[in-house]
Amino acid sequence: SQTIHQWPATLVQPVGSPLSLECTVEGTSNPNLYWYRQAAGRGLQLLFYSVGIGQISSEVPQNLSASRPQDRQFILSSKKLLLSDSGFYLCAWSQTGLANTEAFFGQGTRLTVV
Amino acid sequence: GENVGLHLPTLSVQEGDNSIINCAYSNSASDYFIWYKQESGKGPQFIIDIRSNMDKRQGQRVTVLLNKTVKHLSLQIAATQPGDSAVYFCAESSRRSIRQLTFGSGTQLTVLP
Repeated sequence: SQTIHQWPATLVQPVGSPLSLECTVEGTSNPNLYWYRQAAGRGLQLLFYSVGIGQISSEVPQNLSASRPQDRQFILSSKKLLLSDSGFYLCAWSQTGLANTEAFFGQGTRLTVV
Repeated sequence: GENVGLHLPTLSVQEGDNSIINCAYSNSASDYFIWYKQESGKGPQFIIDIRSNMDKRQGQRVTVLLNKTVKHLSLQIAATQPGDSAVYFCAESSRRSIRQLTFGSGTQLTVLP
């Protein structure tokens, strides 16, 4: 069966520090991968998605970047965090090649920038 | 992307009653819809989905209704239980954006004893 792992679960970082969140998927190959951000009491905002190694699409201009160094690894990064980067970050995957398919989510990372 | 919004941000129901959570969408090209349940501090979990060629789909204790004429989606939970307390999101996608889901802001469902 497929599983998705996301870490760390919680993170407190000072303003201006770098960020690296990692997500890995097991049990499938060539998945579509996504990073979402969820502000408190809000819905999920798509930040990045990837359809293959090295292929990253950004949905919103921001202080963050994403990379996919391996087929089942998706990394969210920042060189210098801002207070506004605080939020709940979710990694997700879906099957490639299907027009309409559900996304499976990790357990999320609660990032607090202080 | 276009907005997917919910009518009510909070909903409280008595245990054992039925719950109805509503969602409006504005993208007329949307052809696939999902309901997710998100418990506090966790990632969303899939509940049920429906494609635009259907107007009703049933699962275990849940039913999703789709009204494409008015762009409205609802989730019905039968015999609501304390474990159903969570935030519920609707999400939509279309063939124009097959690789992404657009989420609504969520409804907090609270089940009262």
